Amino acid sequence: GDSVTQMEGPVTLSEEAFLTINCTYTATGYPSLFWYVQYPGEGLQLLLKATKADDKGSNKGFEATYRKETTSFHLEKGSVQVSDSAVYFCALSGANNLFFGTGTRLTVIP
Amino acid sequence: DTGVSQDPRHKITKRGQNVTFRCDPISEHNRLYWYRQTLGQGPEFLTYFQNEAQLEKSRLLSDRFSAERPKGSFSTLEIQRTEQGDSAMYLCASSLGAGDDMNTEAFFGQGTRLTVV
Repeated sequence: GDSVTQMEGPVTLSEEAFLTINCTYTATGYPSLFWYVQYPGEGLQLLLKATKADDKGSNKGFEATYRKETTSFHLEKGSVQVSDSAVYFCALSGANNLFFGTGTRLTVIP
Repeated sequence: DTGVSQDPRHKITKRGQNVTFRCDPISEHNRLYWYRQTLGQGPEFLTYFQNEAQLEKSRLLSDRFSAERPKGSFSTLEIQRTEQGDSAMYLCASSLGAGDDMNTEAFFGQGTRLTVV
């Protein structure tokens, strides 16, 4: 069945460091891929998405490229800020569903 | 419209009691999802409605769980005879989409935290 495997955390980085959070998926068909973010005390919100192979989603300095050959959708940011501290979830669209990874907690320290 | 709202935000109940949660989606959204999230885990899919029709139900959803969306607007999730293992955050999300297109953004509520004691 469809599933998402996400890099385990937590991840702690200094401000301005480079961020990568790995995500790989298993799916039948051609799903869309998403990154959702959950800031402390808030609900999940969409960070970025890509709907087909080789698409790059980007938002707020974050990027992820839909790689069909490696079944991956890794999240990257060149220079993280303290305000990026949150839990990040990779997700995949199934037939009637969104499948989520287990989440990666990112803490950015000044 | 301020987004997806869920009520209550917190619920503490004794084992064996029934509980009901409500979700009000974004008004024009035809799709509604329920998820359950436990600490350190991602959201687990429970069920999905398109308008008033319940199109998908996870095998995680035991017969103690039932969800409705009677008029295609708000939805309720009821848990009967609660167990301690039901303690979790219950999330509702909504989206606007047509047919089989699952590429549209899902907007999440802040969840209802259930504690069964």
